[in-house]
Amino acid sequence: DAGVIQSPRHEVTEMGQEVTLRCKPISGHNSLFWYRQTMMRGLELLIYFNNNVPIDDSGMPEDRFSAKMPNASFSTLKIQPSEPRDSAVYFCASSRRQVTGELFFGEGSRLTVL
Amino acid sequence: AQSVTQPDIHITVSEGASLELRCNYSYGATPYLFWYVQSPGQGLQLLLKYFSGDTLVQGIKGFEAEFKRSQSSFNLRKPSVHWSDAAEYFCAVGSNSGYALNFGKGTSLLVTP
Repeated sequence: DAGVIQSPRHEVTEMGQEVTLRCKPISGHNSLFWYRQTMMRGLELLIYFNNNVPIDDSGMPEDRFSAKMPNASFSTLKIQPSEPRDSAVYFCASSRRQVTGELFFGEGSRLTVL
Repeated sequence: AQSVTQPDIHITVSEGASLELRCNYSYGATPYLFWYVQSPGQGLQLLLKYFSGDTLVQGIKGFEAEFKRSQSSFNLRKPSVHWSDAAEYFCAVGSNSGYALNFGKGTSLLVTP
């Protein structure tokens, strides 16, 4: 079975540009999570969705960040405009809502903002 | 809010030696506790979890963890480490009021020959 699929795996962009990260969760999973990983702050939860509805976006750092989940098989995380401090690895994870904590992670999108 | 602390940033063990990675949690009620492993360039993979019941839980790859309420700990153990166990290990805590997890900063495990 396919796992969580993220794209792109690597993105290098210049400050001020728009960045869009994509995620396809595992089929049948109805919870989706976006995490950011940096050396300084570790893994931070940015936002999560249940049944395509955003439940908690308190981790989204600022208005430059936005996330959508238009359907059960696709989500995006957008940064506009991007800044060097946004450089990190962004992970998408999915789970079946009734199985707490068993998150399945994608391989991550490594973002570098110059 | 629930949180976890992993006191050790780096751990080095010899292949074949035993391993214990420490995790302390902060949560008022009975926590849901997890250990995840991350290999270089990969996402995280669930090793084991504790919700309730038997305080010693078994996971994949020969790992186990013990929940100790009196010490607010959930330490990960393995009796004999293999070179392929070299990775980053994360402890995490969740609750039954939500499905997102809070992760510790991780412990990097190096295995020497």
